[in-house]
Amino acid sequence: GAGVSQTPSNKVTEKGKYVELRCDPISGHTALYWYRQSLGQGPEFLIYFQGTGAADDSGLPNDRFFAVRPEGSVSTLKIQRTERGDSAVYLCASSPGRATGANVLTFGAGSRLTVL
Amino acid sequence: AQKITQTQPGMFVQEKEAVTLDCTYDTSDPSYGLFWYKQPSSGEMIFLIYQGSYDQQNATEGRYSLNFQKARKSANLVISASQLGDSAMYFCAMRGPNEKLTFGTGTRLTIIP
Repeated sequence: GAGVSQTPSNKVTEKGKYVELRCDPISGHTALYWYRQSLGQGPEFLIYFQGTGAADDSGLPNDRFFAVRPEGSVSTLKIQRTERGDSAVYLCASSPGRATGANVLTFGAGSRLTVL
Repeated sequence: AQKITQTQPGMFVQEKEAVTLDCTYDTSDPSYGLFWYKQPSSGEMIFLIYQGSYDQQNATEGRYSLNFQKARKSANLVISASQLGDSAMYFCAMRGPNEKLTFGTGTRLTIIP
């Protein structure tokens, strides 16, 4: 697609529920990133995919968070047993891949998650 | 570990004036990239400008320029002839060999008519 698409744009859930956030990257981009942005803060790295595999998942806060990218394109961030502290905007970005100069990340509009 | 510091939480600038947003960084890697992103109230992160650690000249993109001082580990963003539409959050970020971006806490820029 023309840009990075994220769905849903807004998600309100109750504490303890399971949530999935979807990211559709720019066509042809091999790298895909998930970030989390809390109010008044800069984006915080969660996980990075190169192709289908997670190249770096060091930012996932705990084992309730999991992300997949089974065909090397669309990615889903999954959060189990949501907690109020998970409330944030979840940003997805894609880039051409590490062999391409600046390898600029293009971000989606984000998914705002609110856990009540 | 990589670290980005933005010491200006907020700035107010008169329209048509130039503005400098400060960014300092810390890394032990010899190869890295520095980025500036703009985040308007709509929330989307917009890429503005990039500087590679081995680039000899300061990067420029239209009204944006990056004042790269490697020895001081600073990468300040300069916006010339500011416009009302420049009002937004601005984030400095760094990428090391591990490909992930590390962001600063941002500066909220408000342009006054």
